[in-house]
Amino acid sequence: QVQLVESGGGLVKPGGSLRLSCAASGFTFSDHYMSWIRQAPGRGLEWVAYIGSSDTYTEYTDSVKGRFTISRDNAKNSLYLQMNSLRAEDTAIYYCARDGGLGAARTDYWGQGTLVTVSS
Amino acid sequence: EIVLTQSPGTLSLSPGERATLSCRASQSVSIYLAWFHQKPGQAPRLLIYGASSRATGIPDRFSGSGSGTDFTLTISRLEPEDFAVYYCQQYSGSQITFGQGTRLEIK
Repeated sequence: QVQLVESGGGLVKPGGSLRLSCAASGFTFSDHYMSWIRQAPGRGLEWVAYIGSSDTYTEYTDSVKGRFTISRDNAKNSLYLQMNSLRAEDTAIYYCARDGGLGAARTDYWGQGTLVTVSS
Repeated sequence: EIVLTQSPGTLSLSPGERATLSCRASQSVSIYLAWFHQKPGQAPRLLIYGASSRATGIPDRFSGSGSGTDFTLTISRLEPEDFAVYYCQQYSGSQITFGQGTRLEIK
């Protein structure tokens, strides 16, 4: 079955950096686009970034452009989010999600999330 | 950015009743609209995609309709496990956006 497991969250000071990972299993990872989506405590969902089946296509929400980088390693079935210049407003649970493919949902399976807290 | 507006903000109903949730887009998203629900402490779960297609394993009491800018999620007979927060999501372009959510609570 499809499984996505995020890791790498934690407490970081404003201006600091963190790298999130998402380990995928149960499907052919290299065939699927992937996303990162976040949810601030007690708030709604916000899409963060999107990557094609290779590193050549990426998209970001405006608030993270120039600070966050999405990448993937298809040989390791892993998705990453490098987060630099972190701000308090980046505090959230970060979920990775799979794109189901042509004609399917853009985010059909989600991991359980990893919590990032930006605070001094 | 396409803005999604969900209504109502909170819906109070009893098990066995019918629930109707709405999602309106600020511009046409064709049928690129999905619905999720989220229970406390859990990740969102996909219910409906393509405005009206049920995701794998989703019971047929859940149905979606609409196209363009106006969409509806209907739960025909509420079960206790259906009480949660519901989000709509549009994916018509390269940037995904979500509605602010509707909280479905037990009356």
